Amino acid sequence: DQQVKQNSPSLSVQEGRISILNCDYTNSMFDYFLWYKKYPAEGPTFLISISSIKDKNEDGRFTVFLNKSAKHLSLHIVPSQPGDSAVYFCAASPNSGGSNYKLTFGKGTLLTVNP
Amino acid sequence: ETGVTQSPTHLIKTRGQQVTLRCSSQSGHNTVSWYQQALGQGPQFIFQYYREEENGRGNFPPRFSGLQFPNYSSELNVNALELDDSALYLCASSLLNQRGPRLGVQYFGAGTRLSVL
Repeated sequence: DQQVKQNSPSLSVQEGRISILNCDYTNSMFDYFLWYKKYPAEGPTFLISISSIKDKNEDGRFTVFLNKSAKHLSLHIVPSQPGDSAVYFCAASPNSGGSNYKLTFGKGTLLTVNP
Repeated sequence: ETGVTQSPTHLIKTRGQQVTLRCSSQSGHNTVSWYQQALGQGPQFIFQYYREEENGRGNFPPRFSGLQFPNYSSELNVNALELDDSALYLCASSLLNQRGPRLGVQYFGAGTRLSVL
């Protein structure tokens, strides 16, 4: 049973345009969400996170939106650059600030930014 | 500041054998987590260690075991290897109860690719 779902296996956008990656979750206990980026032959790299007490968090070109009632979050990248081409993982954790930092990951979305 | 390093990068074993994977945490971190990433899947939580004690475990059988050492380096041991154990094994370190914008963030190594034949 997939508790974190990334329903788009891949996404292709033009350089300079917006990339929107989506993530849905089913477990109401999740209250902290993270996005990781993964290049081939490297480990996942932390991008941005959001707590359930917020609905938006920005860091430079990256913005994460959280809709708790819909159990949905999205990552916006504006403007997209060819170096953003990678697999993006959505991850969720219960009990933010607590002692259990188990992360539950989605299957990932391969983003390709075309020059 | 050194990052998370894992060894070896690749490993080939046969069914029934035992394997030990190693991880060196990022300096200053006191918690290490291990994940299994099968092909086409996201990383799946195996277990976490804090102060040399297991601090949470995912849905993996007891033949998956771990150790954390006083210097916060860690090992993942898998006994009686099965074909389905073929995967990328990722180690991630973090600072338990860290506050601020890095709350809950885990820092990953590049992984060990295990192939079981």
